[in-house]
Amino acid sequence: TQLLEQSPQFLSIQEGENLTVYCNSSSVFSSLQWYRQEPGEGPVLLVTVVTGGEVKKLKRLTFQFGDARKDSSLHITAAQPGDTGLYLCAAQYQTGANNLFFGTGTRLTVIP
Amino acid sequence: NAGVTQTPKFQVLKTGQSMTLQCAQDMNHEYMSWYRQDPGMGLRLIHYSVGAGITDQGEVPNGYNVSRSTTEDFPLRLLSAAPSQTSVYFCASSEVQGRTEAFFGQGTRLTVV
Repeated sequence: TQLLEQSPQFLSIQEGENLTVYCNSSSVFSSLQWYRQEPGEGPVLLVTVVTGGEVKKLKRLTFQFGDARKDSSLHITAAQPGDTGLYLCAAQYQTGANNLFFGTGTRLTVIP
Repeated sequence: NAGVTQTPKFQVLKTGQSMTLQCAQDMNHEYMSWYRQDPGMGLRLIHYSVGAGITDQGEVPNGYNVSRSTTEDFPLRLLSAAPSQTSVYFCASSEVQGRTEAFFGQGTRLTVV
């Protein structure tokens, strides 16, 4: 079983603040995905990163893939109440294999 | 624009009962999978399938059976429910090659008493 650690587990911040969520593994990923999940719903894909050192931006969200492809981070600038939700990283460890291994998640609450 | 449809949304079972969680997708995806989500543990893979007639075990397969007779449907069977199977279950589908974005259903919240 692959171990994928996410931190922090819980995060409560004021609207307008910045935050970073981390995802780490002892094994090399072939790719890393970030999902967001709202209560009562399934996870929805935000981004996929494949190349070591890759940086992707999605409006106020910045995703980074570590150079060694063992870690990733999600940075949110000027958080808004609409960003509230559970953020999950999910790793593929084999190219061409669809199985995803999920981190434990970061539950973010943005207070207006 | 259905995507992945799971039924039922909620279910309460008594210990020892059996039931089937239904999952259907209309995106012609070859790969389908079942996860369970428990507090503090993320999503864990139960079983998966890379096409009709092909299934395999994931991380936590004990107590669950699956079959894949068509591309569209991937039911999950609990043979003899136990309180440890109380969880939220998600079905997902994706293309086998190319983009591997997983599309999830809305989940089934199962309570075993």
